[in-house]
Amino acid sequence: SQTIHQWPATLVQPVGSPLSLECTVEGTSNPNLYWYRQAAGRGLQLLFYSVGIGQISSEVPQNLSASRPQDRQFILSSKKLLLSDSGFYLCAWNKRGLAQYFGPGTRLLVL
Amino acid sequence: DQQVKQNSPSLSVQEGRISILNCDYTNSMFDYFLWYKKYPAEGPTFLISISSIKDKNEDGRFTVFLNKSAKHLSLHIVPSQPGDSAVYFCAASQIKAAGNKLTFGGGTRVLVKP
Repeated sequence: SQTIHQWPATLVQPVGSPLSLECTVEGTSNPNLYWYRQAAGRGLQLLFYSVGIGQISSEVPQNLSASRPQDRQFILSSKKLLLSDSGFYLCAWNKRGLAQYFGPGTRLLVL
Repeated sequence: DQQVKQNSPSLSVQEGRISILNCDYTNSMFDYFLWYKKYPAEGPTFLISISSIKDKNEDGRFTVFLNKSAKHLSLHIVPSQPGDSAVYFCAASQIKAAGNKLTFGGGTRVLVKP
């Protein structure tokens, strides 16, 4: 069966510091991968998606970037965090069909 | 521009009764719709989906109805149970679009009272 992991689970970072969130999927190959953000009390906003290694599509202009160095690894990064980057970050995958399956999420607080 | 809207931010229902969650969309290109359930500090869990060639899909206590002409879908939970208390998101997609992207509504918080 497929599983998706995210770490860290919680992160508190100062404004201006760098960020690296990692997502890995097990039990499948060549999945589509997605990064979402959920701001407090809001819906899920798609940030990036990837259909293959090195292929990244950005959905919204922002302070963040994504990379896919391996088939089942998806990384969300920032060089300098802003207060507005605080939120709950979710990684998801799918392969056949349109339902996406989400990881446990990372709660990021920028102070 | 919110293409998928859930106009009721919250819903309270008695255990055993029906919960009805509503979702409206504006993009007529959407042809596949999904519902997710989310507990606090966890990732959303896929519940049920429906393609635009159908108007109803049922899975146990969950039924999704689609009204294409009204660009409206709803999720019925019968009977509601306390464990159903969560935030529910509807999502929409285009089957042939690149990347299988989903557009989510803002969510409806459901509270099932014992």
